[in-house]
Amino acid sequence: DTAVSQTPKYLVTQMGNDKSIKCEQNLGHDTMYWYKQDSKKFLKIMFSYNNKELIINETVPNRFSPKSPDKAHLNLHINSLELGDSAVYFCASSPSTSTIQYFGAGTRLSVL
Amino acid sequence: DQQVKQNSPSLSVQEGRISILNCDYTNSMFDYFLWYKKYPAEGPTFLISISSIKDKNEDGRFTVFLNKSAKHLSLHIVPSQPGDSAVYFCAAYSGAGSYQLTFGKGTKLSVIP
Repeated sequence: DTAVSQTPKYLVTQMGNDKSIKCEQNLGHDTMYWYKQDSKKFLKIMFSYNNKELIINETVPNRFSPKSPDKAHLNLHINSLELGDSAVYFCASSPSTSTIQYFGAGTRLSVL
Repeated sequence: DQQVKQNSPSLSVQEGRISILNCDYTNSMFDYFLWYKKYPAEGPTFLISISSIKDKNEDGRFTVFLNKSAKHLSLHIVPSQPGDSAVYFCAAYSGAGSYQLTFGKGTKLSVIP
């Protein structure tokens, strides 16, 4: 009954591959987010969707493409993976009426 | 450009004593601040928050203080317990309706039994 769940938890892949990370929330929230935590430990917003509409799109290479098939899901697809994409990616959700975001456990991506 | 700064990467405190974690910010548009706690291999979990119209918010053992003129906030944990050992992130929102949360780098708190 995890509130925000991400799959997979770990992802090891070669440079140049394409991969996807899935996120689902069962909290009934209408806003979802993707964050990247790099080696310097900063948690930085990448994207946010509200009611399936893209509302935040930070300076992220266009190899990263979010997809929100419905309010409960926000997936992240990454094309042509590079070494610098290695990081922990966190999904989060919140109701649009609240400032509190609820995070998934993270997906550790290692690009070799 | 770090808009939210947590200048202490780590802090060690004896069990039962007070833990004080500090956070500074540069963006005067920030009007809502949150603290998150993170255990290894887990996502950050919300701990406590404060609006810029207040200077203090308390929840059990956790108190957050905000000094707007100094652009500084702190999280006090009293008494500290070994289960409090985690990384603590300070985060900030700017403006009503903003969905963008800006995080600091985190402070790793170790509570020694």
